[in-house]
Amino acid sequence: SQQGEEDPQALSIQEGENATMNCSYKTSINNLQWYRQNSGRGLVHLILIRSNEREKHSGRLRVTLDTSKKSSSLLITASRAADTASYFCATDATGANSKLTFGKGITLSVRP
Amino acid sequence: EAGVAQSPRYKIIEKRQSVAFWCNPISGHATLYWYQQILGQGPKLLIQFQNNGVVDDSQLPKDRFSAERLKGVDSTLKIQPAKLEDSAVYLCASSFLPGAGGELFFGEGSRLTVL
Repeated sequence: SQQGEEDPQALSIQEGENATMNCSYKTSINNLQWYRQNSGRGLVHLILIRSNEREKHSGRLRVTLDTSKKSSSLLITASRAADTASYFCATDATGANSKLTFGKGITLSVRP
Repeated sequence: EAGVAQSPRYKIIEKRQSVAFWCNPISGHATLYWYQQILGQGPKLLIQFQNNGVVDDSQLPKDRFSAERLKGVDSTLKIQPAKLEDSAVYLCASSFLPGAGGELFFGEGSRLTVL
């Protein structure tokens, strides 16, 4: 079963614009992670935010976490054509087995 | 640092045939995962190893899928017999921390087409 649900399913923006992607989940979590996947490639880890954190930054990435709303957002600032990829949120739900459950992903297209 | 190695990258078989995928994780990573990614969907966890013990295989179709991790390092995922719905990319990942406490490092994947 998939824990996280990303929104929107697809996003198309112009180079230089900001891209905001959202993720909602159902159960309590230990942490939430965002991954990027270029076409035909494996997933690459972008950022991890723990349940006791509200915001993290990494380069042009900003992630927020609202545990009361069970949601997270990923902001990519000043987007580039190379940011074109699928983005997935993944959650580590609290409980006996610590494992990552991925959402269906968001397809981001950045037009040059 | 070498990444997660997977082979083969591509495999085409007919239904009811068997196939095996191999994964070599990053050195020192105790946790190893196999995920199945169907086109247009997110990865679905099939099995998770901690060293050479199975932590979670609740979503592994055990009537046709099997996996092992020899000596807590390399791993093999086997499908026998394959069905059309097994067409997917099989992703191997490893992590230094146990469970999902840290980031996962993924291989490039093995794309399976079942005809």
